[in-house]
Amino acid sequence: KNQVEQSPQSLIILEGKNCTLQCNYTVSPFSNLRWYKQDTGRGPVSLTIMTFSENTKSNGRYTATLDADTKQSSLHITASQLSDSASYICVVSAYAAGNKLTFGGGTRVLVKP
Amino acid sequence: DVKVTQSSRYLVKRTGEKVFLECVQDMDHENMFWYRQDPGLGLRLIYFSYDVKMKEKGDIPEGYSVSREKKERFSLILESASTNQTSMYLCASRPPMVYGYTFGSGTRLTVV
Repeated sequence: KNQVEQSPQSLIILEGKNCTLQCNYTVSPFSNLRWYKQDTGRGPVSLTIMTFSENTKSNGRYTATLDADTKQSSLHITASQLSDSASYICVVSAYAAGNKLTFGGGTRVLVKP
Repeated sequence: DVKVTQSSRYLVKRTGEKVFLECVQDMDHENMFWYRQDPGLGLRLIYFSYDVKMKEKGDIPEGYSVSREKKERFSLILESASTNQTSMYLCASRPPMVYGYTFGSGTRLTVV
């Protein structure tokens, strides 16, 4: 069964600090992995998308890594800002009809001043 | 930028009512999707559509139907709303053979 597990479920960090979110998956055959940011009451917004051959991708202060051998990904937030407070969702796509997505449960990040 | 618009941010409906959730995208995307999002369960696919008048069941289609009469519009229908359908509903679209999905802002439906 395709699964995506994220950790931690939630974390609190101080403004200006860095943090790293983890994503482990068992989706097969792997197509791509995305990280989304979802503000409360809003739809997810894409941060990064990585295919099998990519092992790192950045979007401003967000840097995602992918280890396709161990089936792990991480999202690193540098110099956090209050606006980074959101849920971060790891989504893995399998090669199948419709490029089916498997969603992780998300990590809720709260940045405090 | 691609825009996916969901007609309502918040809806309150009574048990047994027929409910229509509308989603419109402005970039001529072939593929459109309906998800529901619940705490602890993440996003789950209800239905998706590859093209006009085409639809495929997702992981949790029971209690739902969909309509795709025009390419830009994908409607989710709750034939007889029940309290366990209280949830956040998210619509998404993407072109074929492209990885990126664009999500709407969501509709928070409460069935009382």
